[in-house]
Amino acid sequence: EVHLVESGGGVVRPGGSLRLSCAASGFTFDDYGMNWVRQAPGKGLEWVSDINWDGTSTFYENSVKGRFTISRDNAKKLLYLQMNSLRAEDTALYYCARNKRAVAGMVFDYWGQGTLVTVSS
Amino acid sequence: DIQMTQSPSTLSASVGDRVTITCRASQSISTWLAWYQQKPGKAPRLLIYKASSLESGVPSRFSGSGSGTEFTLTISSLQPDDFATYYCQQYNTFSQSTFGQGTMVEIE
Repeated sequence: EVHLVESGGGVVRPGGSLRLSCAASGFTFDDYGMNWVRQAPGKGLEWVSDINWDGTSTFYENSVKGRFTISRDNAKKLLYLQMNSLRAEDTALYYCARNKRAVAGMVFDYWGQGTLVTVSS
Repeated sequence: DIQMTQSPSTLSASVGDRVTITCRASQSISTWLAWYQQKPGKAPRLLIYKASSLESGVPSRFSGSGSGTEFTLTISSLQPDDFATYYCQQYNTFSQSTFGQGTMVEIE
């Protein structure tokens, strides 16, 4: 069974940094592209970042470009999101999501339960 | 950037009703569109991809249609388990993706 478990969330001051992790199990991790998607409290979904199977190709939503870095460790089956220069508007539940295989583009067939990031002074 | 607009924002319906949610893209996205269902406190669930392809395990009362800029998600006979928020998502550009703002389906 596919499992994605996020960790690393917490409360951080504006301008601070945080690194999120997503532990994958139940599937061959390095066969899949992976993503981070966030949801501000009471709001809708927002795609944040995508990484291909081997980490050589990454994409970002415009508001996080230059501040966030997505990466992966296929040997450990871990996905990461390094978040720097955090802003109040980055406050959200951050989901790790798997790209559906054999489907072109970012279609998310499995999701974790999310880790909450709160940016507040 | 491609903007996605869903309508209505909230929909009140009864069990057994046929329900239709519309999603419009700010430019043509061919059929690069997915639909998700989200219940309170839960992660989203993929329902439909490529505008009309039903995800494995999703009941056949869910269907999707459309191409270009206008898309619909239809629930043929609303069930108690279907009361949730639904999101469309475009993935036309392989470097970016955007979601609609969501449609809450509530009990009338």
